[in-house]
Amino acid sequence: NAGVTQTPKFRILKIGQSMTLQCAQDMNHNYMYWYRQDPGMGLKLIYYSVGAGITDKGEVPNGYNVSRSTTEDFPLRLELAAPSQTSVYFCASSPGEVSPLHFGNGTRLTVT
Amino acid sequence: AQSVTQLGSHVSVSEGALVLLRCNYSSSVPPYLFWYVQYPNQGLQLLLKYTSAATLVKGINGFEAEFKKSETSFHLTKPSAHMSDAAEYFCAVSRGGGADGLTFGKGTHLIIQP
Repeated sequence: NAGVTQTPKFRILKIGQSMTLQCAQDMNHNYMYWYRQDPGMGLKLIYYSVGAGITDKGEVPNGYNVSRSTTEDFPLRLELAAPSQTSVYFCASSPGEVSPLHFGNGTRLTVT
Repeated sequence: AQSVTQLGSHVSVSEGALVLLRCNYSSSVPPYLFWYVQYPNQGLQLLLKYTSAATLVKGINGFEAEFKKSETSFHLTKPSAHMSDAAEYFCAVSRGGGADGLTFGKGTHLIIQP
């Protein structure tokens, strides 16, 4: 049982480059989330999805895009990378409203 | 909007001593509250959750938390610290009682002194 799988684990981008952070879950959860974690700041919600084809913005969506074509996958897209997007990104899933989140191990992204 | 405040970005205790990590919440609706733990280079793992049943909630690894509505608090405790408890701990509250995830506190780094 893999749970929530994120790839890659690490990535270095140059300013202006684009990339997609992958997230997949095998628990058949409807709800999926993307958070970013910055030192001393906790986790901030970027985007979330309540099911295939449905996505919505969180607290800090600027500079990011998401899609949810299947229940399993929830990729996060950075179109024009900026130094402010240097962070650790976590994907999470949940079986229902106010249920605990199951987290992946994160992607550490550096933009220089 | 729901929010949580964790008092103390770093807490240091001796091995075998009581662990107390503080969390206060602000919520306009009955809250769902969670404590998560994060070990280095890993994702967050659920320690325990409060969902309006018993006010004293027991979690994994000997941790427990007590929901106190009058104090809007949900402090995390463990009677006797172990070296393996060294980690980052996050308190979280449901954002709106719906599907839009959790709002996290800034975290408390727990240091265990031998």
